[in-house]
Amino acid sequence: GQQLNQSPQSMFIQEGEDVSMNCTSSSIFNTWLWYKQDPGEGPVLLIALYKAGELTSNGRLTAQFGITRKDSFLNISASIPSDVGIYFCAGQLGDSNYQLIWGAGTKLIIKP
Amino acid sequence: DVKVTQSSRYLVKRTGEKVFLECVQDMDHENMFWYRQDPGLGLRLIYFSYDVKMKEKGDIPEGYSVSREKKERFSLILESASTNQTSMYLCASRNRGTYEQYFGPGTRLTVT
Repeated sequence: GQQLNQSPQSMFIQEGEDVSMNCTSSSIFNTWLWYKQDPGEGPVLLIALYKAGELTSNGRLTAQFGITRKDSFLNISASIPSDVGIYFCAGQLGDSNYQLIWGAGTKLIIKP
Repeated sequence: DVKVTQSSRYLVKRTGEKVFLECVQDMDHENMFWYRQDPGLGLRLIYFSYDVKMKEKGDIPEGYSVSREKKERFSLILESASTNQTSMYLCASRNRGTYEQYFGPGTRLTVT
C-alpha cells in the first residue's frame, strides 16, 4: 500500500534544542495527524490538521498542513527528556473514508 | 478521555497455536482497527470494522481473521500462529465521521 515519506528516520539532539521533522507524499491529503509513541506504548494523538496552510500548536509542538496538501511538518521547541520517542505522521486521502496512510516514524533521542 | 484496552501486553505462543487478541473501547466508537507494527515499517492495517458484525480487509490480512460481535469489542485471531507473525499489535478506535484514531497500549506477541 501507499506510504508517506517521513524524515529524518532518527535524530540525536541536545536538551533545549529545537526539532523539525516532516512527511511528504505524491498524493493529496485531506487531513494530517501527528502521533507520538513512547516505548512499549500505543501512539497518542498530538495534533490534527484539516486545512491546507493550517498551523496548529499544542504546547511546545507546532504542526503545519502544507499548502500543496502533499506534506506536513512538526516542530518541537526547546526539547526536554520526555520528548524522547517515535513520532508518526498519518494522512487521510480524499478518496478513502477510513484508512490512514502512515509514515515510518522519526525516532527522537536526546544526547546525555 | 477515550480508553482503548488490550487483553495482554505481552504474549508468547508456539507455532501452530490459535491466538486471540482482544480489544475493548469505552467510547461507543463505531469504527475499530487492528494494526501490526514492525521496526522501520510503521503501522500496517490488518483489518478494519465499520460497525458490529462488519469487517473489511486492510493491507496485510493474510493469516488473520477478526470478530466484532459487540460494538465495544474487536478481536484479532491468528488461526495458526507462525514466527513471521511475531510483532507488536495495536488496536485503535474512531468515531464515525471523524479521522482521529485512538490507540490501545499494544500487545507484543512472540511466536516461537
